Amino acid sequence: EDQVTQSPEALRLQEGESSSLNCSYTVSGLRGLFWYRQDPGKGPEFLFTLYSAGEEKEKERLKATLTKKESFLHITAPKPEDSATYLCAVQLNTGFQKLVFGTGTRLLVSP
Amino acid sequence: KAGVTQTPRYLIKTRGQQVTLSCSPISGHRSVSWYQQTPGQGLQFLFEYFSETQRNKGNFPGRFSGRQFSNSRSEMNVSTLELGDSALYLCASSAWGGQGDTQYFGPGTRLTVL
Repeated sequence: EDQVTQSPEALRLQEGESSSLNCSYTVSGLRGLFWYRQDPGKGPEFLFTLYSAGEEKEKERLKATLTKKESFLHITAPKPEDSATYLCAVQLNTGFQKLVFGTGTRLLVSP
Repeated sequence: KAGVTQTPRYLIKTRGQQVTLSCSPISGHRSVSWYQQTPGQGLQFLFEYFSETQRNKGNFPGRFSGRQFSNSRSEMNVSTLELGDSALYLCASSAWGGQGDTQYFGPGTRLTVL
């Protein structure tokens, strides 16, 4: 069965304290891995898509990397406005758009 | 460019009723997918539509149905509501519906079943 596991479930950081979120996956065939950010009461906001092992993408304080079994979202010098739930999702190599989501990491950055 | 819009934003229904939720994709987007989000199960895939055709369906009972119109707008319907149907229903649109194409989510419809 295709599975996506995110860790930790929750993470509390001080402003400026860098860290990484993990997304590990067990799927039959990966087409792409997506990172989203979700604020309370809102829909997920797209961050990155990664397609192949070794690929990296950056946006402001965020950097996403991909290996054959997992992806990391690195947060450098976070600010309170980075507080949100970060969701990882995989798209299988089936020809369809269906995303299989992990349960997310709740990040709280304190000033 | 306006984002994905969903109406209504909030709904309260009682068990046994039915409900219709609406989604307007980003202008020019042709593919719409629906997801259910609950605290216990997280985000789960419901359906995927492209050019008015359902291309894929998730593991949900037949009470859940949907359709897509010629202008790419989509609706989903849940009949004979159960308490467990309380959730945030999210619609996502993508430009060309191909694999790897980014899905952009709307704000969701919060459904509460009493």
